[in-house]
Amino acid sequence: QSVLTQPPSVSGTPGQRVTISCSGSSSNFRANYVFWYQQLPGTAPKLLIYTNNQRPSGVPDRFSGSKSGTSASLAISGLRSEDEADYYCAAWNGSLKVFGGGTKLTVL
Amino acid sequence: EVQLVQSGAEVKKSGESLKISCKGSGYSFTTHWIGWVRQMPGKGLEWMGIIYPGDSDTRYSPSFQGQVTISADKSISTAYLQWSSLKASDTAMYYCARQGTETSLDYWGQGTLVTVSS
Repeated sequence: QSVLTQPPSVSGTPGQRVTISCSGSSSNFRANYVFWYQQLPGTAPKLLIYTNNQRPSGVPDRFSGSKSGTSASLAISGLRSEDEADYYCAAWNGSLKVFGGGTKLTVL
Repeated sequence: EVQLVQSGAEVKKSGESLKISCKGSGYSFTTHWIGWVRQMPGKGLEWMGIIYPGDSDTRYSPSFQGQVTISADKSISTAYLQWSSLKASDTAMYYCARQGTETSLDYWGQGTLVTVSS
């Protein structure tokens, strides 16, 4: 069972806005940054969001992150078919990285 | 260009030993932590541990402490993950990843699939 809790699945239609939630305990969330990783089918994970809301170079601004207290969210606007993937939130707990259980995004 | 290139897929039997590798290029290998992540078939990501190649400082997840050994050879910019006695439950994809910008895992290897038969 993951320390960070995500919904197992979300879905949306092209063009829609979807959000994926991630909730954690105070020890790993309140004082620490949240990261989001995208894993397209059959590929390695890719960094999507770091330090709660920053996008690495090359990540479209359709992806945005936020954090408040012990919860974080990833929002994807203008949903596209190529966004269909597994999404993982993560945080550091000391030197231990903890991942959420992952959320499968289906584009209908 | 930053790259992490992992060794190829392995098929082993229970009880055998194994060492897989992750070679970094395009950046200063000795000044960035390298982490290892397990993904069992159809499951999520699990943190195994991390190593600082500059001085081989290594930290393990409690779930993997004593089960695997993480090491690095900075002279050839390569990190390793090894098992002394594999179990069928070690069957998984294993990824290495560089800790970079603001402690994110900013670059990932392509993964090494380890299959262990009993």
